[in-house]
Amino acid sequence: GAGVSQTPSNKVTEKGKYVELRCDPISGHTALYWYRQSLGQGPEFLIYFQGTGAADDSGLPNDRFFAVRPEGSVSTLKIQRTERGDSAVYLCASSLTYRDGYTFGSGTRLTVV
Amino acid sequence: AQTVTQSQPEMSVQEAETVTLSCTYDTSESDYYLFWYKQPPSRQMILVIRQEAYKQQNATENRFSVNFQKAAKSFSLKISDSQLGDAAMYFCAYRSPFSGNMLTFGGGTRLMVKP
Repeated sequence: GAGVSQTPSNKVTEKGKYVELRCDPISGHTALYWYRQSLGQGPEFLIYFQGTGAADDSGLPNDRFFAVRPEGSVSTLKIQRTERGDSAVYLCASSLTYRDGYTFGSGTRLTVV
Repeated sequence: AQTVTQSQPEMSVQEAETVTLSCTYDTSESDYYLFWYKQPPSRQMILVIRQEAYKQQNATENRFSVNFQKAAKSFSLKISDSQLGDAAMYFCAYRSPFSGNMLTFGGGTRLMVKP
């Protein structure tokens, strides 16, 4: 597609449930990034994929968070046993090379009640 | 670790006037890139302008320009002839090939444009 697509746009879930957030990057972009943006703050890095592999997952806050990119295109961020503190906007971005600026999606707003 | 600081939580400007948003950063690396992103209520981060650290010339994109002071580690954004559509959150960001290529963002500045 022409841009980075994220689905769903909004997700409300109950505490303790499992959620999956999807990111469809720009075709041909090998680098894909996930960020989390809490209310009133700047985005914080979660994980970076180069192709199919996670090149850097140092930003994942704990083992409840996991992300995959099995075919080097679409990525899924998975959150187990959600907590109210997981409520945030989850942003996905892709880029062609590290010298380029990212192209961001519009994010998924996750609300854990 | 790199840090990016935006000291102005909110700024206000009259339509058609000029406003400057401040950003400072801390790094020990010599090769890096600096960015300004705009985030309207739609949530999508839009790249406004970028600066390579090895270039001394300040970047310019139409009404947007930067004042890059490498020694002072300062990277401010100047918006000229402000328009109502410029109202948004603005984030300064740092990126280095030596740090995994992820973007490190500041806390943001909310820009309000008065008609």
